[in-house]
Amino acid sequence: AQSVTQPDIHITVSEGASLELRCNYSYGATPYLFWYVQSPGQGLQLLLKYFSGDTLVQGIKGFEAEFKRSQSSFNLRKPSVHWSDAAEYFCAVAARGTDKLIFGTGTRLQVFP
Amino acid sequence: ETGVTQSPTHLIKTRGQQVTLRCSSQSGHNTVSWYQQALGQGPQFIFQYYREEENGRGNFPPRFSGLQFPNYSSELNVNALELDDSALYLCASTGQIEETQYFGPGTRLLVL
Repeated sequence: AQSVTQPDIHITVSEGASLELRCNYSYGATPYLFWYVQSPGQGLQLLLKYFSGDTLVQGIKGFEAEFKRSQSSFNLRKPSVHWSDAAEYFCAVAARGTDKLIFGTGTRLQVFP
Repeated sequence: ETGVTQSPTHLIKTRGQQVTLRCSSQSGHNTVSWYQQALGQGPQFIFQYYREEENGRGNFPPRFSGLQFPNYSSELNVNALELDDSALYLCASTGQIEETQYFGPGTRLLVL
């Protein structure tokens, strides 16, 4: 069955520190890959996506993600975290040619000053 | 270009009642998807509408139904509400030539 795993439920970092959020997927073929961010009580905002090509993808707000086929992973990174990055982060996949998303359970990011 | 909008923002119902949630898709988008996000969980796909027809459905019972109108706006209807239906309901729209979903702010439903 298709699934997305975000192993870290809750991560705490200091402002200015680097960040890596993990995402692993189980899928028959390489799917489309996404990272969304959700602030408290809000909808989801797209950070970045991978369809094909360069496996290092740049997104908004200084985020990037790297697709590693051999590890079935799509980890999200940011070199220097800002307090405003505190939110819930969701990794999602969709079968190629479709847009129906399967989400992970999310990682809550807390940022200390 | 207007984004995805949803109404109402919050709603309280009692068990057994029926509810209708509304979504206006982003300008130029003809596909609308609905998701249910329970507290502490990731969103779960309910169904999708494309050009007024259902185009895929997740693992939700028939009491979850929907409509899409000629202007591509959409409704989600839930009959015989249960306590477990309490969740944030998210609508997302997709354009014709891309496969990325853009989400609205959601409707938070509480069933008592």
